[in-house]
Amino acid sequence: GAGVSQTPSNKVTEKGKYVELRCDPISGHTALYWYRQSLGQGPEFLIYFQGTGAADDSGLPNDRFFAVRPEGSVSTLKIQRTERGDSAVYLCASSLRGRNSGANVLTFGAGSRLTVL
Amino acid sequence: SQQGEEDPQALSIQEGENATMNCSYKTSINNLQWYRQNSGRGLVHLILIRSNEREKHSGRLRVTLDTSKKSSSLLITASRAADTASYFCATDDTDKLIFGTGTRLQVFP
Repeated sequence: GAGVSQTPSNKVTEKGKYVELRCDPISGHTALYWYRQSLGQGPEFLIYFQGTGAADDSGLPNDRFFAVRPEGSVSTLKIQRTERGDSAVYLCASSLRGRNSGANVLTFGAGSRLTVL
Repeated sequence: SQQGEEDPQALSIQEGENATMNCSYKTSINNLQWYRQNSGRGLVHLILIRSNEREKHSGRLRVTLDTSKKSSSLLITASRAADTASYFCATDDTDKLIFGTGTRLQVFP
């Protein structure tokens, strides 16, 4: 696609529910990133995929958070047993960068705003 | 985790004035990038400066980098109301970018 597409743009859920957020990166971009942004803060790194594999998941806050990218393109961020503190904008980004090569310029989607009541 | 700290946190200026934002970071870097974020939108890449560069220009943007002080500045000259946004610096950490806390710029017409 022309840009990084994220769905849904807004999601309101109740505490304890399960949520899936989808990211469709730019075609041909091998690297895909998930970030979380709270109000007034910068994006906080969650997880990074190179192809189908999670190359770095050190930013996932706990085991309620999980992400997949089964075919090396679309990725889904999954949050189990949501808590009010999970409320944030979840940003996805993709890049052409191969592992450990060159400068890494990210193209971001518009984000999915998650509200946990 | 957030690597960078931007200063100031918020900046309000009139159209036509220059806006300067500063970023400090903690670890050694290969390059530093600046991104812009309009309210409710994703981030957009503005400019990248490599660790062996001291200054870089792109249109009305000027970026400096001082690796000895672990700091960078972004200057927007002749600001416009459309420059109103949040600006973030980002440094590379292996294969991922770590973003700072951002400067919220308001340009009044």
